[in-house]
This record gives sequence, structure tokens and C-alpha cells, in this order.
Amino acid sequence: EAGVAQSPRYKIIEKRQSVAFWCNPISGHATLYWYQQILGQGPKLLIQFQNNGVVDDSQLPKDRFSAERLKGVDSTLKIQPAKLEDSAVYLCASRRGTNTDTQYFGPGTRLTVL
Amino acid sequence: SQQGEEDPQALSIQEGENATMNCSYKTSINNLQWYRQNSGRGLVHLILIRSNEREKHSGRLRVTLDTSKKSSSLLITASRAADTASYFCATDVGGGGNKLTFGTGTQLKVEL
Repeated sequence: EAGVAQSPRYKIIEKRQSVAFWCNPISGHATLYWYQQILGQGPKLLIQFQNNGVVDDSQLPKDRFSAERLKGVDSTLKIQPAKLEDSAVYLCASRRGTNTDTQYFGPGTRLTVL
Repeated sequence: SQQGEEDPQALSIQEGENATMNCSYKTSINNLQWYRQNSGRGLVHLILIRSNEREKHSGRLRVTLDTSKKSSSLLITASRAADTASYFCATDVGGGGNKLTFGTGTQLKVEL
């Protein structure tokens, strides 16, 4: 089966600009996660969706970050306006259902904010 | 915040040697998972150990869990150059949703 797809793979923007990332999870996976991974650190969960509903967004900086999964399949993560400290790799992961524990990760989008 | 702390931060060994990396965490967990991340790529799930298990094997991987010490170790036997990667432990504290909190990672380099 196809893996988790993400685009773009790389993005360079100036601070205060906006940026959006796209994720297409593995077909049939109900749960979708967005993580932020700053260089030298482990991934940090930003938001978790179950189908098209938000399960956990407690660590999402909601003043500048937003995410949606309107049809319960693919998802977008947006940053507006970007700050220098948002430079990181943004990882999307998906999981089949509530009785499985394995998350499958996409290749990530590397964001550089200048 | 990071739940787990890996030790060592970096490890360099020769091909064929064993590599051991450790993870310590702070709160009670439902399960602990280990992931591998190659340079420029996403994370790959390696192995999961539940809180009621003490040891688990998968191929050349052996994971132990000591819930009394809130620690886990990952052993890679007979390492290969292809094992060069960063390794992360991730804890699931339960409550549904498989919400993972990752550690800081160990960078493993296996030299020929």
C-alpha cells in the first residue's frame, strides 16, 4: 500500500509570510497526526484528528497555526504569520484505528523561515 | 515537553558490534515504542513494548522495559552500516488516541 504522502518536501519563506503543508494519509487510516520536529529534538505532537474531528490540539499555537481535515482524508496545516522559530520539519502520520498502535510517518516538509 | 530522554546522545561503533541505547521517562505509560529516522526521511516504527512486558525481540532488535525505574533499552545486535540513523523512544500514556511523546533521540553511526 502507498505510504503517507506530504508536500511540499521543502519550503523557504520570509518571516511574517504564510505557508501551508499538505498530507494524504494511508488509505483507510482514520487517525491523522501533525508533528513539529525542531533540529536536534524529537517530534512534538501539534494536533490529532480522528476522521474529520479534532481529538487533541493542546500543543498547537492557535494564534498562528491552523489545521483542517474537512473530508476525513487529507489534511492541511497552515502557519500565518510565520516566525523564525517555526523553522522545523513538519511530519504527518496516520494510524488505522483505535485498536492499533503503530503510526506511519510521511517524509516530512522541511520549513526554513528567514 | 519531552517525556523521554535518550542516552547516549550520540554513539559510534564498528560494523558487527552491538549498539545499546537507553530511554528514561517520567510518567506511567501504557506502552513504549522505538522509532528510527534516517537522514532526511520520516520515522519508521521498529518495535512496541507494553507496560506489562519486560522484554521483546524483533529480528536483530531487543527491547527491555523496567517500569519501576521508568526506563527502556534498545539493543541492536550485529550492527550494519544501514543501521546508521537516529533512534527515538516514544511513550504512550494511555487514555486513547495513541498520543505519543518522543524523546530527544540517539544518533547512531555504524562505521565499516
